[in-house]
Amino acid sequence: AQSVTQLDSHVSVSEGTPVLLRCNYSSSYSPSLFWYVQHPNKGLQLLLKYTSAATLVKGINGFEAEFKKSETSFHLTKPSAHMSDAAEYFCVVSNTGKLIFGQGTTLQVKP
Amino acid sequence: GAGVSQSPSNKVTEKGKDVELRCDPISGHTALYWYRQRLGQGLEFLIYFQGNSAPDKSGLPSDRFSAERTGESVSTLTIQRTQQEDSAVYLCAGGGFRWADTQYFGPGTRLTVL
Repeated sequence: AQSVTQLDSHVSVSEGTPVLLRCNYSSSYSPSLFWYVQHPNKGLQLLLKYTSAATLVKGINGFEAEFKKSETSFHLTKPSAHMSDAAEYFCVVSNTGKLIFGQGTTLQVKP
Repeated sequence: GAGVSQSPSNKVTEKGKDVELRCDPISGHTALYWYRQRLGQGLEFLIYFQGNSAPDKSGLPSDRFSAERTGESVSTLTIQRTQQEDSAVYLCAGGGFRWADTQYFGPGTRLTVL
């Protein structure tokens, strides 16, 4: 069975400081991993995805994530937070088509 | 349209009534998924259609839930005898034929069961 655990339900950073959203996964097979973002009253948007190519994946809006098999992690990072990054972030695993979502991390960005 | 559309955007119903939710995927997307998002939680997989193959219904929470899809077009999710715990946002997503393909989500239908 596949699952993801987002280690923080809420992360608060100051504008201009780095962002780290943590995710651990469990999968019997080589997984595909995704990060999705959900802004208030807007639909889910794909930030980036890992599908067994390069382990460091670059996404939109300056986000990136590194796949670490030894640690079963896929943490999301950004060097410098913007106010517009405030949203709900979901780590997602898939190896059979259907997506398995984590519980989400709310990112708050303070001015 | 350019994206996945869902209707209605909001639905309020009384306990015990049936509801039908609609999803119009992006043209050419062979895969179609339904998910449910309860307040403050992540998405739960409900059902998956891929082309003309038999759907994966493993996520449907009870036999009150069913879904249909005609070919590679519109899908409807039906909930019979709604219960208050069915209140959630129901999201539809479309994608390609490979399971690693990106899924494109619609805006969702917010269902409230009174």
